[in-house]
Amino acid sequence: NAGVMQNPRHLVRRRGQEARLRCSPMKGHSHVYWYRQLPEEGLKFMVYLQKENIIDESGMPKERFSAEFPKEGPSILRIQQVVRGDSAAYFCASSPSATSGNTIYFGEGSWLTVV
Amino acid sequence: GQNIDQPTEMTATEGAIVQINCTYQTSGFNGLFWYQQHAGEAPTFLSYNVLDGLEEKGRFSSFLSRSKGYSYLLLKELQMKDSASYLCAVRDGGNNNDMRFGAGTRLTVKP
Repeated sequence: NAGVMQNPRHLVRRRGQEARLRCSPMKGHSHVYWYRQLPEEGLKFMVYLQKENIIDESGMPKERFSAEFPKEGPSILRIQQVVRGDSAAYFCASSPSATSGNTIYFGEGSWLTVV
Repeated sequence: GQNIDQPTEMTATEGAIVQINCTYQTSGFNGLFWYQQHAGEAPTFLSYNVLDGLEEKGRFSSFLSRSKGYSYLLLKELQMKDSASYLCAVRDGGNNNDMRFGAGTRLTVKP
């Protein structure tokens, strides 16, 4: 039973390019969460999605960032026109649902470096 | 919104016991979780509390007091490999039941 799969693990982009990060949740999980972690800092909530539905995007920057979780395929976090400040680890997590007893399980993360 | 506070750093000695505290404020509480994160790696789940009291799991125990908005993670018989960040997280029932994290406590275990 595969865990949460993220790719790419490491991504280098030049300023102004686009970054696309993908996340496939654990089998049977329909809820996906994206977090950003800057070096030496905690996990910052970005967005919480269910299949074809954004539940909470209050942590997403208003510009350049978007997320989706289509009916088929992985969840995608898209960052347009990247800047140096976007360099961070982006973690995806999944859970079966959002009920109180359900913990979330993390993928290995995608490390974005903007040069 | 919610505030989740925990100490930034702690240091302890191998073989000792350490307690990492976490206080939280949420509009609706649906569970408190502790995760461990080694540098450069993903967080891994340690424990879950939804009712008041102590949950024990081997060398690790977690305590919850909902009335005080307080939890702690207790690590016994510390080992060098326990050096890591420990993240307190809360499911906020008043905020789409999503999972929010504290900034983490970086624990250093010394010989």
